[in-house]
Amino acid sequence: QVQLQESGPGVVKPSETLSLICTVSGYSISSGYYWVWIRQPPGKGLEWVGTIYHSGSAFYNQSLKSRVTISADTSQNQFSLRLNSVTAADTAVYYCARGSTGTTAWFDPWGQGTLVTVSS
Amino acid sequence: SSELTQDPAVSVALGQTVRITCQGDSLRTYFASWYQQKPGQAPVLVIQGKNNRPSGIPERFSGSSSEDTASLTITGALAEDEADYYCNSRDSSGNQVEFGGGTKLTVL
Repeated sequence: QVQLQESGPGVVKPSETLSLICTVSGYSISSGYYWVWIRQPPGKGLEWVGTIYHSGSAFYNQSLKSRVTISADTSQNQFSLRLNSVTAADTAVYYCARGSTGTTAWFDPWGQGTLVTVSS
Repeated sequence: SSELTQDPAVSVALGQTVRITCQGDSLRTYFASWYQQKPGQAPVLVIQGKNNRPSGIPERFSGSSSEDTASLTITGALAEDEADYYCNSRDSSGNQVEFGGGTKLTVL
């Protein structure tokens, strides 16, 4: 059974860098699929942040592209998110998930999510 | 702002059938997927592609698509189906992923 778990600081100061790690168990990220970050501001909808393949190829939401980096560490079976120059608008629950590589974009399973608050 | 449009709220009487829709130009090219999210929980995939249910998802959930609109149908809604439902798809370029704004389903 594939499981994903997000970890990282719950509070980040404005203008600093948000860093999160997703640890995958039950499946090797080297074996395939995309690995994805999705966020959800409190009380609002879902927003795709970006996607990485185990080879290192990454795709980012155009609205965040200048600030976001997603990388993978296959030796640890983890992938990570870095978001620079954060503001209050980046406050959200951040989810990691496994994604399809086909033309239909679907995400399953998801981690439980971690709330990151941007505040001084 | 999302390029996939969903009704913000829909209600259904217990045991009846409800259709939740998702509209967008990208759906003329790509199938949608659907997620159920209950308060305080992570989203759960309920339908992906043309009409594929992941293991463990009840048969009362089904998906369909026509032109620029994808639909999630719940046949015989249960109280436990009360939740937020989100659609997603690739955008028209194929390189980005977009979500609908979500539909809050109330089971009366």
